[in-house]
Amino acid sequence: GQQVMQIPQYQHVQEGEDFTTYCNSSTTLSNIQWYKQRPGGHPVFLIQLVKSGEVKKQKRLTFQFGEAKKNSSLHITATQTTDVGTYFCAGPVETSGSRLTFGEGTQLTVNP
Amino acid sequence: DTAVSQTPKYLVTQMGNDKSIKCEQNLGHDTMYWYKQDSKKFLKIMFSYNNKELIINETVPNRFSPKSPDKAHLNLHINSLELGDSAVYFCASSQGWNSAKNIQYFGAGTRLSVL
Repeated sequence: GQQVMQIPQYQHVQEGEDFTTYCNSSTTLSNIQWYKQRPGGHPVFLIQLVKSGEVKKQKRLTFQFGEAKKNSSLHITATQTTDVGTYFCAGPVETSGSRLTFGEGTQLTVNP
Repeated sequence: DTAVSQTPKYLVTQMGNDKSIKCEQNLGHDTMYWYKQDSKKFLKIMFSYNNKELIINETVPNRFSPKSPDKAHLNLHINSLELGDSAVYFCASSQGWNSAKNIQYFGAGTRLSVL
């Protein structure tokens, strides 16, 4: 079964509001990756976090890796319509042979 | 040049038919993958090849058969298509297999509709 859980599954926001998606694993992850998939498009790599407690920023996007390396979050400040899409986290799950396992994704819609 | 290209982009076919999807990457990567994405956007890995060798074979009906003629190509053949096979199939590649090199580069997807 899926071992990388992601919440919420859906999020609707007004343009200008903030947005956060959370990713949790039952086991420690050596790293975590985040991807964005625009409607009708394909997943595109955004960032990889490796260190415990790591925080990285890309313009309005802030990515965090938990101290225990079991959870991560993606926060978008002041959403724009261009942020619409599905955001996936992915991590190598040891019990699955360290293969990259994707979370279920959070589908973000932004109302103008 | 597209880094990971898969064809066709759309595939509409009848139940019971056999079809193939092709994938090529020009990134010089060692590892390639097939994913299935259902209507809820859930990405499920199906197969992975590393240097032409099969390394991941998830619980997928044996009607699905991948083939990697060389490390730049990974094709997917599907026999006796069923309604439940309707989905978007993504090919992806990564530099390597281990967690230091497994950032995924995805193709544009093949939207398969089985009628």
